[in-house]
Amino acid sequence: DIQMTQSPSSLSASIGDRVTITCRASQSIRRNLNWYQQKPGKAPKLLISAASNLQSGVPSRFSGSGSGTGFTLTITSLQREDSATYYCQQTYSAPTWTFGQGTKVEIK
Amino acid sequence: QVQLQESGPRLVKPSETLSLTCIVSGFSINNGHYWGWIRQSPGKGLEWIGSINHSGSTYYNSSLQSRATISVDTSKNHFSLTLTSVTAADTAIYYCTRDLRNGYNTDSSDTWGQGILVTVSS
Repeated sequence: DIQMTQSPSSLSASIGDRVTITCRASQSIRRNLNWYQQKPGKAPKLLISAASNLQSGVPSRFSGSGSGTGFTLTITSLQREDSATYYCQQTYSAPTWTFGQGTKVEIK
Repeated sequence: QVQLQESGPRLVKPSETLSLTCIVSGFSINNGHYWGWIRQSPGKGLEWIGSINHSGSTYYNSSLQSRATISVDTSKNHFSLTLTSVTAADTAIYYCTRDLRNGYNTDSSDTWGQGILVTVSS
């Protein structure tokens, strides 16, 4: 199975900061990489598909990049409502999709 | 707007069978997509369980060792999950999802139910 590793596991940043989360795959997954945002007590929400395709309604301060084994999720100007846990997911090794362990983003 | 809602028992005894249903509204299962189940436990994070389409074609996570079965009832516009021989390790929040599975890099779970916490305990 393809393993997905996120770093860091958690971070604390201030409003307006640029935040970067990294996701690494144990083998190439081309651009078959999604990012989800999960707020406490809520279901995950799809933010980005295909490594960089921003979903409708998602603020433009979110962006994704990467291919192969290395990917990043960037929040260019952190807002209070961005406090959440972020997960990457690979869909390359169909039918089995696997997630990273998550990165918790807290506001200082 | 498509909405998903999980239902089922919230407490299941060890060795028994967990059964959940996901009611789909705002979108016909017959119109395409796959329909899936994902669970979330503190120990294992998010774990994909399996998916089904309107014609009954299924995919499963092999790690569940054939304990999981997903079925669909297009007349009721819902799909279901059964998980046999449960243990405490199956305690988790279970989410139903609408999945895009075209074999392209845009494959994803674009809609999620609110989730249902199922506890396995005697």
